[in-house]
Amino acid sequence: EPEVTQTPSHQVTQMGQEVILRCVPISNHLYFYWYRQILGQKVEFLVSFYNNEISEKSEIFDDQFSVERPDGSNFTLKIRSTKLEDSAMYFCASRVGLAWETQYFGPGTRLLVL
Amino acid sequence: ELKVEQNPLFLSMQEGKNYTIYCNYSTTSDRLYWYRQDPGKSLESLFVLLSNGAVKQEGRLMASLDTKARLSTLHITAAVHDLSATYFCAVDGGSQGNLIFGKGTKLSVKP
Repeated sequence: EPEVTQTPSHQVTQMGQEVILRCVPISNHLYFYWYRQILGQKVEFLVSFYNNEISEKSEIFDDQFSVERPDGSNFTLKIRSTKLEDSAMYFCASRVGLAWETQYFGPGTRLLVL
Repeated sequence: ELKVEQNPLFLSMQEGKNYTIYCNYSTTSDRLYWYRQDPGKSLESLFVLLSNGAVKQEGRLMASLDTKARLSTLHITAAVHDLSATYFCAVDGGSQGNLIFGKGTKLSVKP
């Protein structure tokens, strides 16, 4: 069964460093998303991406964040200058369309900013 | 502001008992999603409820949707230990299909 994959599974970085989180959505899916989950809290929407551009973003997704689909398969989330409060689990998700399909989530990248 | 509220947030059950988790939301969305998350793991889709009155069942779990009341329920029948996990409900948060999640219900089933 096709699945969303993410790399790395864990990343430790120093405050102020740039990190890039990578995702490979399911191949025939058209809508891509990033979410984050701070430890013990709910899942929060960051950004949605469709047709090679950001289609919607939350207040969390400020100028420190960017997303890119550099080729036909990868979908990346970049945090330019990490802060302590960026420590969280980051999930990538994808869906075929908007009609009735659910979103499929990747296994997540656990980011720890020291 | 769109709100999704779940209760209870913590639920400790004995095996064999029944219980219901409630999800209230403030949007007019006709679609509601239930996900399961095991500790340290990703979110697994359980149910997608697409219209008022929708009911779906999978094993010991049954989900229903009342769009007029803006309420969904996840009913657990004869709980077993394997159901221990955190259960999230979510609704569509915008036109691009992004999901807005509740805080989750952490279910612990004890023998």
